[in-house]
Amino acid sequence: DAKTTQPTSMDCAEGRAANLPCNHSTISGNEYVYWYRQIHSQGPQYIIHGLKNNETNEMASLIITEDRKSSTLILPHATLRDTAVYYCIVRVAKNRDDKIIFGKGTRLHILP
Amino acid sequence: EPEVTQTPSHQVTQMGQEVILRCVPISNHLYFYWYRQILGQKVEFLVSFYNNEISEKSEIFDDQFSVERPDGSNFTLKIRSTKLEDSAMYFCASSEIRGPNTEAFFGQGTRLTVV
Repeated sequence: DAKTTQPTSMDCAEGRAANLPCNHSTISGNEYVYWYRQIHSQGPQYIIHGLKNNETNEMASLIITEDRKSSTLILPHATLRDTAVYYCIVRVAKNRDDKIIFGKGTRLHILP
Repeated sequence: EPEVTQTPSHQVTQMGQEVILRCVPISNHLYFYWYRQILGQKVEFLVSFYNNEISEKSEIFDDQFSVERPDGSNFTLKIRSTKLEDSAMYFCASSEIRGPNTEAFFGQGTRLTVV
């Protein structure tokens, strides 16, 4: 699976848009970009995923560059409850292997 | 909204004892997973399960671990003889279908403390 690179930590002011970058320069054509987050020690929470088109749901937007080598997760109006570790994951199902591999993620601090 | 449910939320056990961690996946989901997270470390894949058999397991999932779907709703992880290093959060996850275009949903975890 392609490796992802994320900043270790980021700060964002409450009410502002939080833009979390992710590099996945070795991504291949059948690999999806997923974002999960983990609030404190809770279970990972699915946020959004995409292949090559930009995606938006009620939680966030995912912007994938045209060459697919990087992406940005956007939380449009961050709240204190968005403080969490955010994981960018590339995922491919090959043979019987479709597990999600978590890295270290980005620790996002929302500042009041 | 459907969710993955795990019980108990916290389990304390003595070293060498057997523990069973329980999970109720989302009802129409067919693929199930166990992950663990040692305090301060990454979330690690343990095992995936489909159609009553293991699809894949990691090197962590050795002979002391086993999984079972004893009925139509529960999915369990058994640790046969617990060690101190098994202390961790254990997360169950499920997905509706297999493949990279389907999200997996995680439970809130069971904190296992081995003393």
